[in-house]
Amino acid sequence: ETGVTQSPTHLIKTRGQQVTLRCSSQSGHNTVSWYQQALGQGPQFIFQYYREEENGRGNFPPRFSGLQFPNYSSELNVNALELDDSALYLCASSLHLGAGNTGELFFGEGSRLTVL
Amino acid sequence: DQQVKQNSPSLSVQEGRISILNCDYTNSMFDYFLWYKKYPAEGPTFLISISSIKDKNEDGRFTVFLNKSAKHLSLHIVPSQPGDSAVYFCAAPMNRDDKIIFGKGTRLHILP
Repeated sequence: ETGVTQSPTHLIKTRGQQVTLRCSSQSGHNTVSWYQQALGQGPQFIFQYYREEENGRGNFPPRFSGLQFPNYSSELNVNALELDDSALYLCASSLHLGAGNTGELFFGEGSRLTVL
Repeated sequence: DQQVKQNSPSLSVQEGRISILNCDYTNSMFDYFLWYKKYPAEGPTFLISISSIKDKNEDGRFTVFLNKSAKHLSLHIVPSQPGDSAVYFCAAPMNRDDKIIFGKGTRLHILP
């Protein structure tokens, strides 16, 4: 069974640039969620993808966007980067809650983004 | 508005003793609660959960207690071991197919 993998693990960008983060979900999982974890905070929900469509969004501006592909892998795109976007970005895969599971998330190691 | 609150940023416990991590919540509609554990440079991993219709769930050294009237839950680890040193997050799903809300976490240090 393959776990959740994210790339890149670390990256540095400057204000105004754009970034794409990638995630491969755990085998058998059809739902991918993205979280932002700022220093000293808990993970904050960005959005979730199920069946290649956005299925719930947190309090993040439209410059945060995503994709899910037919193989359930996903991308997080952030445009017009700001200094406050510096954080650990976590991808989590799961089975859709409608299938009767308890919503346990399986997280990747994260992509640490630094915006200068 | 934080719906899941962990008011203790850190906790130090002697090895072999009991660790108690606390969590408060404001939304009485949560169906269940989860605890996640996070080591440095790793993603959070699921530890234990409890349904809102129960008041206790036990899994080995880990027990979670839920007090719905007080909107409070706690994670007990006994006996505490060095490998338990990590950040622990309390979490709850907002809806059946929606976001999971995390607390800010409590860093647990197990002292030798």
